[in-house]
Order: sequence, then C-alpha cells, then structure tokens
Amino acid sequence: GENVEQHPSTLSVQEGDSAVIKCTYSDSASNYFPWYKQELGKGPQLIIDIRSNVGEKKDQRIAVTLNKTAKHFSLHITETQPEDSAVYFCAASRGRDDKIIFGKGTRLHILP
Amino acid sequence: DGGITQSPKYLFRKEGQNVTLSCEQNLNHDAMYWYRQDPGQGLRLIYYSQIVNDFQKGDIAEGYSVSREKKESFPLTVTSAQKNPTAFYLCASSWRDLPLYFGPGTRLTVT
Repeated sequence: GENVEQHPSTLSVQEGDSAVIKCTYSDSASNYFPWYKQELGKGPQLIIDIRSNVGEKKDQRIAVTLNKTAKHFSLHITETQPEDSAVYFCAASRGRDDKIIFGKGTRLHILP
Repeated sequence: DGGITQSPKYLFRKEGQNVTLSCEQNLNHDAMYWYRQDPGQGLRLIYYSQIVNDFQKGDIAEGYSVSREKKESFPLTVTSAQKNPTAFYLCASSWRDLPLYFGPGTRLTVT
C-alpha cells in the first residue's frame, strides 16, 4: 500500500523567511496530493492541493510542487507570519474511492 | 452554516465503559471517515463509509464500531476492547472525489 514520508518533523524559521516541507510517496498510481494545516486543538484544514496533471500550484504565499518521476512533493510558504505556526500534514491518494494516506506531520514554529 | 460537527469537544470516561462519539455533516457528502490522532503518529484511519448502510475497516479498527444509518451521521463507538482509547478523534467527509473536510475533533480521555 501507499506510504507517505514527511520531513522535517519540526521546523523553526524566522518571521519573514520561507519554509519548505517535503514529502515522498511510494505508490506511483497516487494522483492527488493535499496539504492540511492543523492549529492546536482543532481539526486539520485543507490549505492547498495538487493533482498529478500539474507540476506546481500557488495560492498567495503558499505553493506546492510535485515531481512525479521522483515521487516527491513539497509545500513552500513564503514571507512567513506568526499565524503560520501550526502542524502541517501532507497526504497522497489514488483519488476517488481510495483511502487518503497522511504523513506524520511537521510542526512549524515561526520565530519573532 | 455548512460543515461538520463533532460533539462533545471533550469526553471523559472510566475504563471498561463504551462511549459513542457523534459526527454530523450537512454538506451532502457521500463519504465519511473517522481518524485517530496521537502525538507524533499523524492521522490513522479507523473506519470509513462511502454510502449509507455500508462501511469498511480502516487501519486500526480493532476495538471500535460504527454505523451509517443516515447520510448525515456517522457515529463512532469506542468499546472497552480498545486498549488505548485516550486520543483525539477526528471525523471527516468528502463528496465523490476528494478533498477531505475535517470536523473540529473530540478529545477522549479514559482513566
């Protein structure tokens, strides 16, 4: 089955700098890759997703890149702000009717 | 307001008691899911249901049971057979193709 590895487990960056979180997946049939942000004591919220027919997607300060050949995808947050501090999860799925497999999460700290 | 509601937010039980966690959605989503979250373990799938009156075991179904009698509702029962029930439980739903939308979670503490 699918396995998703996420790195690093903890990341600290200075406010205003960029943060990058990386994930690898094992199932070449996976075609959907979402990223979730979870604030303390709350449920995860979808922040961006990408499907395998594109290599990059941007939404304001957030971008995701996908390398299908290498089976890895990354989340990029630019101009980080204190409210970006949270746990971020990547995930992979083969799409409809298939389970979504999550990475173990990255705790992002934005330092003042 | 459309969304997923989970109640209660905090739940305390004595060991040996069964407890049922509520999950309701008004998003008209077909599929619903239960995940368990422990520190450093990410999100692990307990059960999921793609249509009413049908559900499948996830990766850690032992000690849990579910029902799906209505499209809007997918309650999870944590039985006394679950050896380590203390955790944060998340319900989610999706319509046809992804993405998954999560509820706010229920933190269960069993002593």
